[in-house]
Amino acid sequence: RKEVEQDPGPFNVPEGATVAFNCTYSNSASQSFFWYRQDCRKEPKLLMSVYSSGNEDGRFTAQLNRASQYISLLIRDSKLSDSATYLCVVSGSNYQLIWGAGTKLIIKP
Amino acid sequence: EADIYQTPRYLVIGTGKKITLECSQTMGHDKMYWYQQDPGMELHLIHYSYGVNSTEKGDLSSESTVSRIRTEHFPLTLESARPSHTSQYLCASSEYSLETEAFFGQGTRLTVV
Repeated sequence: RKEVEQDPGPFNVPEGATVAFNCTYSNSASQSFFWYRQDCRKEPKLLMSVYSSGNEDGRFTAQLNRASQYISLLIRDSKLSDSATYLCVVSGSNYQLIWGAGTKLIIKP
Repeated sequence: EADIYQTPRYLVIGTGKKITLECSQTMGHDKMYWYQQDPGMELHLIHYSYGVNSTEKGDLSSESTVSRIRTEHFPLTLESARPSHTSQYLCASSEYSLETEAFFGQGTRLTVV
């Protein structure tokens, strides 16, 4: 079993819709959680950190459920420019970052 | 914009050649990483470093080697390139903390013919 698991997708979603991704992690000692975005043939870039109380940044909401060991990302009013691969990242032992394989999102006009 | 740079951006090289991929960051980050990523596939950690003179192998077995003589510089070397080394190589850096993000360079797209 992978340490960080994501649904690979792709998620095909019409513009304006709401889409949610989940990510599960296996290390209960993990302390830091992130969502990154990676455009095709580009490097990953931080979308948002995920805090215990949940956090929101515009149309994006991230939540953490430590008891069930999953984090989620909600995108409201999706735009064509949201099309990308979304990577779930969790801190592991030895200050390492453990990367999920990513969920591909395609927003259709 | 992140201050982390990779050169070259693209490289086509013949089998058996020795190559060095350069990565430099000006943020003073202690931790640096090399990832390998095939198109549409996940990131694989191949090397990382906690600071000067520290290098560790990552999860994915790699025939490459790295060095960390200066904080800002983390080059990756392939002694004898093979077609199986064709991939994108991404360098990243972060502070020595659990809560800080990793910043990535733009990557080197390597093709071995």
